[in-house]
Amino acid sequence: QKEVEQNSGPLSVPEGAIASLNCTYSDRGSQSFFWYRQYSGKSPELIMSIYSNGDKEDGRFTAQLNKASQYVSLLIRDSQPSDSATYLCAVITPDTGRRALTFGSGTRLQVQP
Amino acid sequence: EAQVTQNPRYLITVTGKKLTVTCSQNMNHEYMSWYRQDPGLGLRQIYYSMNVEVTDKGDVPEGYKVSRKEKRNFPLILESPSPNQTSLYFCASSLSRLAGDYEQYFGPGTRLTVT
Repeated sequence: QKEVEQNSGPLSVPEGAIASLNCTYSDRGSQSFFWYRQYSGKSPELIMSIYSNGDKEDGRFTAQLNKASQYVSLLIRDSQPSDSATYLCAVITPDTGRRALTFGSGTRLQVQP
Repeated sequence: EAQVTQNPRYLITVTGKKLTVTCSQNMNHEYMSWYRQDPGLGLRQIYYSMNVEVTDKGDVPEGYKVSRKEKRNFPLILESPSPNQTSLYFCASSLSRLAGDYEQYFGPGTRLTVT
């Protein structure tokens, strides 16, 4: 069974701090990894994708992937109150080609002003 | 502006009354998909389409139909809605079948209530 696990939180960090969000996945065949941000009642917004081991940086966001340990993380530097949202980790395992995103349950991030 | 659009955004209906939720993208994406989001269950795929006239079931297809007659449109059809289909629905699209190019972009969502 494919699973993506996240701590539901809430993760509370002060404004300006680094927020660290973690995700583990069970299917070793997973090859594509994504972080989405979702505000309450809104649609998931893609903020990072990562396909190979290591770090990928985009502005204040850094995604880290370790396929051997089957985890992917997201670092948010200089956290802002506007970053307060639920962060969804999603994985694609291209077994059938249907390219379904398997989502974790999400981690709720609260950035305190 | 590149986007995925859905209509209607909110819908309240009664059991058994057929309805269609439309989805359209203007990015020339080949791949399109429907998800539903429910508290405690997260986001789950309903149906997907790899290209025009190519559709297939996702994880939770029961009670739904789709069609893909044009590249830009991917409507979701509920022939006989039931209360357990009350949910938040998202359409998503993705550019290419090429390996490594699987970023999916979501529409704004349709909140459906079936009474």
